[in-house]
Amino acid sequence: KNEVEQSPQNLTAQEGEFITINCSYSVGISALHWLQQHPGGGIVSLFMLSSGKKKHGRLIATINIQEKHSSLHITASHPRDSAVYICAPDKSGSEKLVFGKGTKLTVNP
Amino acid sequence: NAGVTQTPKFQVLKTGQSMTLQCAQDMNHEYMSWYRQDPGMGLRLIHYSVGAGITDQGEVPNGYNVSRSTTEDFPLRLLSAAPSQTSVYFCASSSRGAGEGEQFFGPGTRLTVL
Repeated sequence: KNEVEQSPQNLTAQEGEFITINCSYSVGISALHWLQQHPGGGIVSLFMLSSGKKKHGRLIATINIQEKHSSLHITASHPRDSAVYICAPDKSGSEKLVFGKGTKLTVNP
Repeated sequence: NAGVTQTPKFQVLKTGQSMTLQCAQDMNHEYMSWYRQDPGMGLRLIHYSVGAGITDQGEVPNGYNVSRSTTEDFPLRLLSAAPSQTSVYFCASSSRGAGEGEQFFGPGTRLTVL
């Protein structure tokens, strides 16, 4: 069983829609990262969080440690948000990240 | 700052050849790591380092060696390339451990082994 499950695997939206990507994990963690991989392949960090909620522009990330679940929300989606979004929990005490397989988001104009 | 740099961007090897993928960062980060990314699979950790002189194995270390003689550099060596090592390789760094600092990724190296 995968330690990290993301849903959905693929998501197509119209510009302006509210997007939610979910991440469930089975391991104990000290923090969780959300990453964005652009169509060209580059990977950038969006959020690192260990509790509660963080907001950056139109992006919001939440985490519920007790339920072992995190969500990434995009408000007023735009075609430039089209990318693969990756959830990566840090296993407690291991110095290692584990990665979900990613959610491919396509936002159409 | 250049951030995390990787060379080469593309490489084609024949089975049995050896090569070194270079990774360097100019942010004075202690933690560095190597991942491979294959279609349909998440990123998988190959090796990581928590500081100069300290390295450890990740999830898929077989066929790869690393060393960390300086804070800046973390090369990945393929000892005898195999077609199963065809992949995209990413180097990453952070100021502290994996769960304590923002991760910075290099642009990746696309490796094909024939």
